[in-house]
Amino acid sequence: AQTVTQSQPEMSVQEAETVTLSCTYDTSESDYYLFWYKQPPSRQMILVIRQEAYKQQNATENRFSVNFQKAAKSFSLKISDSQLGDAAMYFCAYRTLNYGGATNKLIFGTGTLLAVQP
Amino acid sequence: SAVISQKPSRDICQRGTSLTIQCQVDSQVTMMFWYRQQPGQSLTLIATANQGSEATYESGFVIDKFPISRPNLTFSTLTVSNMSPEDSSIYLCSVEDAPGRSNTGELFFGEGSRLTVL
Repeated sequence: AQTVTQSQPEMSVQEAETVTLSCTYDTSESDYYLFWYKQPPSRQMILVIRQEAYKQQNATENRFSVNFQKAAKSFSLKISDSQLGDAAMYFCAYRTLNYGGATNKLIFGTGTLLAVQP
Repeated sequence: SAVISQKPSRDICQRGTSLTIQCQVDSQVTMMFWYRQQPGQSLTLIATANQGSEATYESGFVIDKFPISRPNLTFSTLTVSNMSPEDSSIYLCSVEDAPGRSNTGELFFGEGSRLTVL
């Protein structure tokens, strides 16, 4: 079964600085998606960034970028120029690319609570 | 992207009662998922609900406790039956965009329903 591990329960960063959140996963599949979701206190889960496993190029979305290491099964999130609004719980998630049945679910890590200090 | 509305947003319930959570999507979607997020925890999939078929439950979740309806492609309900304080959680509905609209693997989430069982 696939698993997702986030080893940092909490992180803190100064405003305007850079922070990296770690995520590792375990799977025997070769095709899959990886995601970082953000959950602010409002509870709304918001997609931050996504990566297809078949793409070697690391995904970027403005101040957010990932370091995807397929062989190491590592998928870290880098937040540059941190802003107060970045404070939230961040979840790393895995989803198989093979559609159909219960195996198509989104599997979440335990989350990293990010605090941004002014 | 799909817009999801959940009702109720929050509720306080008495032990032994049941509560039905509604999930309304602004577009037709094939796959709908119900997740549970216990206090301070990650998201755990309860079941996958596809229109026209029985819901598929994950290990540890049973239909008698969490009956699900999926009458059409834009609506689903999750009932939490015979509630106990251990059922105090946020329950989130999520959907995958309809085929042909996007192929990102992303799931969209409602704002969740926070249930407190006394």
